[in-house]
Amino acid sequence: SYELTQPPSVSVSPGQTARITCSGDALPKHYAYWYQQKPGQAPVLVIYKDSERPSGIPERFSGSSSGTTVTLTISGVQAEDEADYYCQSADSTDTYWVFGGGTRLTVL
Amino acid sequence: QVQIVQSGAEVKKPGASVKVSCKASGYTFTSFAMHWVRQAPGQRLEWMGWINGGNGDTKYSQKFQGRVTITRDTSASTAYMELSSLRSEDTAVFYCARDELRGDYYSGMDVWGQGTTVTVSS
Repeated sequence: SYELTQPPSVSVSPGQTARITCSGDALPKHYAYWYQQKPGQAPVLVIYKDSERPSGIPERFSGSSSGTTVTLTISGVQAEDEADYYCQSADSTDTYWVFGGGTRLTVL
Repeated sequence: QVQIVQSGAEVKKPGASVKVSCKASGYTFTSFAMHWVRQAPGQRLEWMGWINGGNGDTKYSQKFQGRVTITRDTSASTAYMELSSLRSEDTAVFYCARDELRGDYYSGMDVWGQGTTVTVSS
């Protein structure tokens, strides 16, 4: 079955830039989406269509795509950004949606 | 305002079935798809399947195929997810979330329900 691979954890100090990657063979063909999830809460969409930001999401969140890897970048990380982040995309047959394993962002 | 409200927590015995509902309001239910996502304690998000709110077409993850059934009642703007043959590993929070096809791309799961906890225990 198709998999999206994310690093388990990323740590940054406040004000620095955090980059979270997501790799998958079908990513050149399908858009990626990113979600932020804080403990005990439902996920929140922070990036759609690889790099688009929904209304209400701070400008410090951005997304990019290059080949089989997509990247969520959080510039000027704040303490409130500490959360789990999940990428999501479609499999190569465009039949199923898949989530990555999730990355825990720790703000030191 | 746009919101999705899910049914309450459930406790089930192994082998039983559970049916979770999510009631949408504040938007046109038939213009959006509804995903279902499972999250076991401390684990990742898992996509289970989705339903087209307009024509009722469904697709299920291969992992849950045969055990999950997603339906909708357009008159009630409500989607349902039924999971059968429950086992302890199905103890999880189940979420529903809407999605919209915009030309050649989807909008992403931009509105989520609050989650429904299902506990499977003998």
